[in-house]
Amino acid sequence: QVQPVQSGAQVKKPGSSVKVSCKASGASLSHYNINWVRQAPGLGLEWMGGIVHISSPANYAQKFQGRLLINADESTSTAYMELRSLGSEDTAVYYCALEYGGKVDFWGQGTLVTVSS
Amino acid sequence: DIQMTQSPSSLPASVGDRVIITCRASQSISSSLNWYQQKPGKAPNLLIYGASTLQSGVPSRFRGSGFGTDFIFTVSNLQPEDFATYYCQETFSGSRTFGQGTRVEI
Repeated sequence: QVQPVQSGAQVKKPGSSVKVSCKASGASLSHYNINWVRQAPGLGLEWMGGIVHISSPANYAQKFQGRLLINADESTSTAYMELRSLGSEDTAVYYCALEYGGKVDFWGQGTLVTVSS
Repeated sequence: DIQMTQSPSSLPASVGDRVIITCRASQSISSSLNWYQQKPGKAPNLLIYGASTLQSGVPSRFRGSGFGTDFIFTVSNLQPEDFATYYCQETFSGSRTFGQGTRVEI
């Protein structure tokens, strides 16, 4: 059974970028669609973007077009999410979530990104 | 992007109650809808996929139905561990939009 393992918490300055990794343990990432979801404190889940297949281009939610980059490295079974031009509103827990056949049932543990001057 | 409208946003309930949550899509999504439960500090947990199929290991008191644009999620005989926040999510389009969430609280 695949288990996504994410990189650790980060603190970033406004205007900078953050990169979060998600390594699939127990199976190859190539079997799954890769989604990135975030949750700001006290708020709901927000789908940011994803990759249908590890070698295909990413889809992005309109809100993040132009400052979000999602990609993956099949050789290391690791997916990446990079968000640029950070603002305080980007303070959130970021999750990678693996999907197979419409079932998004393998979630990473979450990575807290705090944007603060 | 497809918009998902979930209601209510909060739902007072008691142990033993039946609770009903609705989710409406801005366009037809066939049966491409998932339901999740989330508890504080934890990642979401998939309960139902394909609008009505129970994920393995999920108790049968959880039920989903619907097709097209209108979907219903029901929890019968609410248990103490069911007090949580529930989300719908469409998996029809290239995006995976979530509903706003429903907090089921005592």
